[in-house]
Formats: sequence, structure tokens, C-alpha cells
Amino acid sequence: GNSVTQMEGPVTLSEEAFLTINCTYTATGYPSLFWYVQYPGEGLQLLLKATKADDKGSNKGFEATYRKETTSFHLEKGSVQVSDSAVYFCALASQTGANNLFFGTGTRLTVIP
Amino acid sequence: EAGVAQSPRYKIIEKRQSVAFWCNPISGHATLYWYQQILGQGPKLLIQFQNNGVVDDSQLPKDRFSAERLKGVDSTLKIQPAKLEDSAVYLCASSSIPGRAPAYEQYFGPGTRLTVT
Repeated sequence: GNSVTQMEGPVTLSEEAFLTINCTYTATGYPSLFWYVQYPGEGLQLLLKATKADDKGSNKGFEATYRKETTSFHLEKGSVQVSDSAVYFCALASQTGANNLFFGTGTRLTVIP
Repeated sequence: EAGVAQSPRYKIIEKRQSVAFWCNPISGHATLYWYQQILGQGPKLLIQFQNNGVVDDSQLPKDRFSAERLKGVDSTLKIQPAKLEDSAVYLCASSSIPGRAPAYEQYFGPGTRLTVT
């Protein structure tokens, strides 16, 4: 079946620190992989995505590389800001059958000045 | 471009009462999804529509939950009767039809926070 295992939080970092949030997946076939972000009081927003192995998704200084050999899609940012405080969700969409998203449990990031 | 609209934003009901949520997807998006997000968990798909047809409702508790998308545009999700464990945020999302990039990108509404007491 399809599932996503995500690094548990919460994560607290100082401003300008390096961020890594781990994500591994189990899926049949070759899924597309996503990171969604949920800012306080707002809905889920797509942060970045990758649709095939070795693809790198990037947006707003965040990056994640689709690693088929390790079934991983870790999120990284070199220098976090207070405005990055949010909950981050890793998700996959199987390319077989219905295009449903399977989400991890989410990681809450708090960045302190 | 207007985003996915949902209403109400918040709802408090007593157990055994009924409740309905409304969603209007992004214009032109044929696929509509309802997700349930329980506090501390990731969203879980309840039902997926392609136009006005159901694609996947395998996770929908059909004894109490129902959903419709009669004209292939907006959608309503109903719970009757509600249970305490239905307390969650109900998210609506939409995406463009398969075959057109970005086929798998889903756009989410702000959600409806339901509290069942």
C-alpha cells in the first residue's frame, strides 16, 4: 500500500539555522512526491514537488530530492526565517489508480529570533 | 484566480446532530476531494469526485457521511448523525483533470473546523 513516514516534531530552530525534515515513503509504482505547508490559521499550500526519481523540487529556499533508492524525499533549507514557522506535510500521489494524496503526520517547525 | 472556497469556517454541534459543509473548487477544476484532518494527524481522503462522478469513496464512513457534487462544480459533505470522533478539520481540494500538467497538484481550501460536543 501507500504510506508516508515523516520525522516527528516539534522542531525548534534559531533563525538562520539549517533545516532538515525527514520523509520516507512506501508506494506501488512510481509516485509523485510533495511537500505541503500549513501556516497558522491558513489552509494547506503546495511548497514543492517532484514527479520522478532524482528530480529536485525547490521553492522559497526549500529543496527536496526524490531518492528512489532510499525511498526518501527529505526537506531542507539552508537558513530558516521566523516566517517559516508552520506545519510541514510530506505527501505522495500514486500514479496508478485515483490521484489521491497520502500524507504524513506533519512536522511543526518553530523558528525563534 | 480565486482559490477553493469553503463554508462555514467553524461549526460546533452536539453529538447525534447533523451538519453540512460546502465547497466551491477553482474554476475549471474537474476533480474535487474531501479530506478529514484530525488534530495531530495528516489529512486523510474521504471521497474524490471527477466531474459529478465518484472516483474513490473507500474511506468514507457511509453509514453517517454522504457527499454530492450534482452539477460537477460545487460539493456538499454531510454528517448525520455526528459522533465525538468526527471532530476534525474538513478540507476540500481541487485539481485539473488528468493528462494536463500539473495533473497531480491539488489546491486546498481553508477548511471547516468541526467540534462535536
